[in-house]
Amino acid sequence: QSALTQPASVSGSPGQSITISCTGTSSDVGAYNYVSWYQQHPGKAPKLMIYDVNNRPSGVSNRFSGSKSGNTASLTISGLQAEDEADYYCSSYTSSSTYVFGTGTKVTVL
Amino acid sequence: EVQLVESGGGLVLPGGSLRLSCAASGFIFSSYRMHWVRQVPGNGLVWVSGINSDGIATSYADSVKGRFTISRDNAKNTVYLQMNSLRVEDTAVYYCAVESIGWYVFDYWGLGNVVTVSS
Repeated sequence: QSALTQPASVSGSPGQSITISCTGTSSDVGAYNYVSWYQQHPGKAPKLMIYDVNNRPSGVSNRFSGSKSGNTASLTISGLQAEDEADYYCSSYTSSSTYVFGTGTKVTVL
Repeated sequence: EVQLVESGGGLVLPGGSLRLSCAASGFIFSSYRMHWVRQVPGNGLVWVSGINSDGIATSYADSVKGRFTISRDNAKNTVYLQMNSLRVEDTAVYYCAVESIGWYVFDYWGLGNVVTVSS
């Protein structure tokens, strides 16, 4: 199972919006609405930000939103803040009954 | 408060074995699927293995199938990862995670445990 494809880095200024893409195949992202997104600060454990494509867990800012079209899912961070600087990973369930993560995207707040 | 605490990592020779444990608290452990995810420092997350709530159904990444075994003890609120025939490329931080908020999502994670395979 190959990793889902994400851009290596995305940057934006405070207050701006950025979007991170996550491209898979018809056997994972395109097959199910089980795409989730995780934020990871250096040296820390990942934190769930979005699940089931566009649902936010309790406590996660509404500046984070998700969507999906075909084999590509996206995470949008609006009103970018310094604390959003971190690595972001997407994940999807697969038709092989396994799970696959994305390659990861480093978000930099300029 | 949900807590997941991994233990059992360390330094092991190639071909050796280790058993990781993950002690859970703050939720009804016996109701939820559990997973192991690993990360080589500086690299991305990789799903390793998962086990359903009653311990009957398990699944593995191809890279560890036949070498790693996941199990759980619901009486002890603990999930395990038995790692045999370890390879240098198994060196990573190993996280346990629970799938509780919905299907196929890792909503709480432990702090991770380092496994180093080296001669």
